[in-house]
Amino acid sequence: GENVEQHPSTLSVQEGDSAVIKCTYSDSASNYFPWYKQELGKRPQLIIDIRSNVGEKKDQRIAVTLNKTAKHFSLHITETQPEDSAVYFCAARDDTGANNLFFGTGTRLTVIP
Amino acid sequence: DTGVSQDPRHKITKRGQNVTFRCDPISEHNRLYWYRQTLGQGPEFLTYFQNEAQLEKSRLLSDRFSAERPKGSFSTLEIQRTEQGDSAMYLCASSLGRNGYTFGSGTRLTVV
Repeated sequence: GENVEQHPSTLSVQEGDSAVIKCTYSDSASNYFPWYKQELGKRPQLIIDIRSNVGEKKDQRIAVTLNKTAKHFSLHITETQPEDSAVYFCAARDDTGANNLFFGTGTRLTVIP
Repeated sequence: DTGVSQDPRHKITKRGQNVTFRCDPISEHNRLYWYRQTLGQGPEFLTYFQNEAQLEKSRLLSDRFSAERPKGSFSTLEIQRTEQGDSAMYLCASSLGRNGYTFGSGTRLTVV
């Protein structure tokens, strides 16, 4: 089955700086890669996703890049704000096969005001 | 209908007791998923329904776990003879086809 690894496990940045979280996956059949933000005691919420037919996707201060050859994808948050502080999870799925998402172990991001 | 609802939010039970959780998906969503999340980990897939049919089950879903979605709407997850290792957040998610994957707020189970 799919194995998703995520680094770093914790990340602290100064407000206004950029944050980068990286994930690798093992199943070359995976073709859908969402990122979720989970605040303390709340549900995971989808913030951005990318499919394997594109290499990069941006949404305001958030961007995701995908390297299918190397089987890794990254989340980039620019101009970080204190409200970006949360746990971020990457995930992978093979849209042509099993329907479940395989999640990474999460990155706790702290933005220091 | 503002999202995926789960009930209860918290459950404390003694080891060996049975517990049942409920999930109400977004009304037009035909797919429903159960995940388990332990502290410091990402959600782990348990099982998946398309309408009322349970199409996938993880190896994590031991024979003490059973899930149903009798009318293709709400779903229940039952754990029999609970063990301390069952303590976790149980998350439900729903989607319309493969899109719009939305999580509920979860049921936090504590087995004492």
